[in-house]
Amino acid sequence: EAGVVQSPRYKIIEKKQPVAFWCNPISGHNTLYWYRQNLGQGPELLIRYENEEAVDDSQLPKDRFSAERLKGVDSTLKIQPAELGDSAVYLCASSLDSTGGVEQFFGPGTRLTVL
Amino acid sequence: AQSVSQHNHHVILSEAASLELGCNYSYGGTVNLFWYVQYPGQHLQLLLKYFSGDPLVKGIKGFEAEFIKSKFSFNLRKPSVQWSDTAEYFCAVNPGASGGYNKLIFGAGTRLAVHP
Repeated sequence: EAGVVQSPRYKIIEKKQPVAFWCNPISGHNTLYWYRQNLGQGPELLIRYENEEAVDDSQLPKDRFSAERLKGVDSTLKIQPAELGDSAVYLCASSLDSTGGVEQFFGPGTRLTVL
Repeated sequence: AQSVSQHNHHVILSEAASLELGCNYSYGGTVNLFWYVQYPGQHLQLLLKYFSGDPLVKGIKGFEAEFIKSKFSFNLRKPSVQWSDTAEYFCAVNPGASGGYNKLIFGAGTRLAVHP
């Protein structure tokens, strides 16, 4: 069974440039999560989707970050414009549903460096 | 502020030594508890989880964790580590178990290095 797929794996951009990350969850998983992991810290949730609906985006910096999950399958996270502080690893995860405690499966992440 | 705390950021052990990684959380009510592991160059993967019932949980690769509700702790243990256990370990809490939603709050992680 294929795991969570993310691309690109690495991205280097200059500040003020836009950037987008793509995620394809495990087939059949209705819930999709985007996390940001800063150096030396654990992942922090940015947004959670139930199918195509964003049900928890309280931690998403909405002035520059946006996300979509068209058709409730794959998802894109965008930053425009990027700032130096956005350098981090962006992780996508998926789970069958959002029942409390169900296992989340993580992708390999996209390492973003903003110069 | 509510949080998940991992006491040690870096741990260095020799093979066959015993391991205990501490994790404390500050959320009340019903929680689900997890330990995730990230081996070098690999993605995060689940090591073990606690939902309810027996507070001593056994996971993959000989790991176990004990939930002590009164201490708000979920420490990870392994009696005898191997070089292949070198990885970063993350404790995570779902504080929304009683509310029926799934949101993981992660600790900062512990980097374990095992020397042969």
